[in-house]
Order: sequence, then C-alpha cells, then structure tokens
Amino acid sequence: DQQVKQNSPSLSVQEGRISILNCDYTNSMFDYFLWYKKYPAEGPTFLISISSIKDKNEDGRFTVFLNKSAKHLSLHIVPSQPGDSAVYFCAASDTGNQFYFGTGTSLTVIP
Amino acid sequence: KAGVTQTPRYLIKTRGQQVTLSCSPISGHRSVSWYQQTPGQGLQFLFEYFSETQRNKGNFPGRFSGRQFSNSRSEMNVSTLELGDSALYLCASRPGAGAGSIFGYTFGSGTRLTVV
Repeated sequence: DQQVKQNSPSLSVQEGRISILNCDYTNSMFDYFLWYKKYPAEGPTFLISISSIKDKNEDGRFTVFLNKSAKHLSLHIVPSQPGDSAVYFCAASDTGNQFYFGTGTSLTVIP
Repeated sequence: KAGVTQTPRYLIKTRGQQVTLSCSPISGHRSVSWYQQTPGQGLQFLFEYFSETQRNKGNFPGRFSGRQFSNSRSEMNVSTLELGDSALYLCASRPGAGAGSIFGYTFGSGTRLTVV
C-alpha cells in the first residue's frame, strides 16, 4: 500500500512560469518530508525538506508547503528553468529511520 | 569529497541465480540504506545498516539480504533471482541514523539489474 502518492506522473511547464508538484500521504505520524530530484542515469539528489513544525520552507527558487490537516505537500519552483527538467520524488518519514517515497513526477520545462 | 559509489552499474543475470551489489558510502558516513526502484512503484525501502547492524527492514522477502563492513561499505545480496527483481537498486548513505540525520541522505547512481 502506497503511503506516499504523487498522482501526476508528468507535468509540462513553460520556462519562467511556476511549476507545482504535489504529494499526498496517508500516515498522520509522518513528521519529516523531503523532495528529491533525479536525472536519468543518476541517483536522486536532495532538494529541500520540511518538518511538521513548519508549513513552509524556502530555498531560492524552491518552496515546499505542508498542509498537515490535508496530509498534502507541494513543491513550487519559480521561475522554472529548462535545467529543472527531471523526475521529482517526495519522501516522508515518522522517525527518520525509514523513508517512504512517492512514484515520482516527471517535470518538463519547455524553453 | 567522493560521493556514494555503487558497483557494478549494470548487471544481467538469469532466473535462479544470485547476485551481490556493492555500495561504498561517503567517507565518514556510517549509515547505508538500500532502495529498489521500479516503474510505477517508486523507491521501495529494503533495509538500513548502521555500524554493521541492520536497523530497519522493509517489506521484502528473505531472498533479499545485506551486510555492512567495519569500513561502512555495504553489500546487498539477492538469491534465487526472479524476473520481478529487475530494477534499479539504489543505495544512500548518511552520517548517522534516525531523526538526527534526516537531511543527510546522499544517493549513489544505482545498479541496474536485469533478470532474464
């Protein structure tokens, strides 16, 4: 049973616009959330994180929003750049011992 | 600083065989986790080793096993391979384990295993 879900397998956005990637989870005990970015033939690289004590975390062009009551988080990329084209995974954990990953969303930024 | 190194990058095996994959973590990292990535399933947690001890285990059959050596290098073994074991196997290292080391996960590039 998938505890972390990314319901959009793919997303296309024009360069300069906002990309919004969504992630839903089922376990209310999850306290730590991370986003990873993956290029083909490479391992995932850490992008940004948030813990349950916050509802927003920003790092440059990347912002993650957490809505605990809705068990939903989203990653905003503004402005989107062609180099952002990759697969994005969200991951969640309760204790930090085991992470549950979503199935990924493939983002294409069109120049 | 060298990243996480996984060997081999690609592997083709026959059903029923066994396979061993290797992962060298970032220097100083003591925790190594293994994940299986298949299309449509995302990354599925296999297990985590810390200081040569398995700390956590995912929901995989006993054919999947691992170990960690005193230098923190880790190996994963899959016995009696099945076609469904074809996947990208990723390892990730971090300095410690648990909540104190949440944001330190670094992944290797993976080993692509194909079972025929």
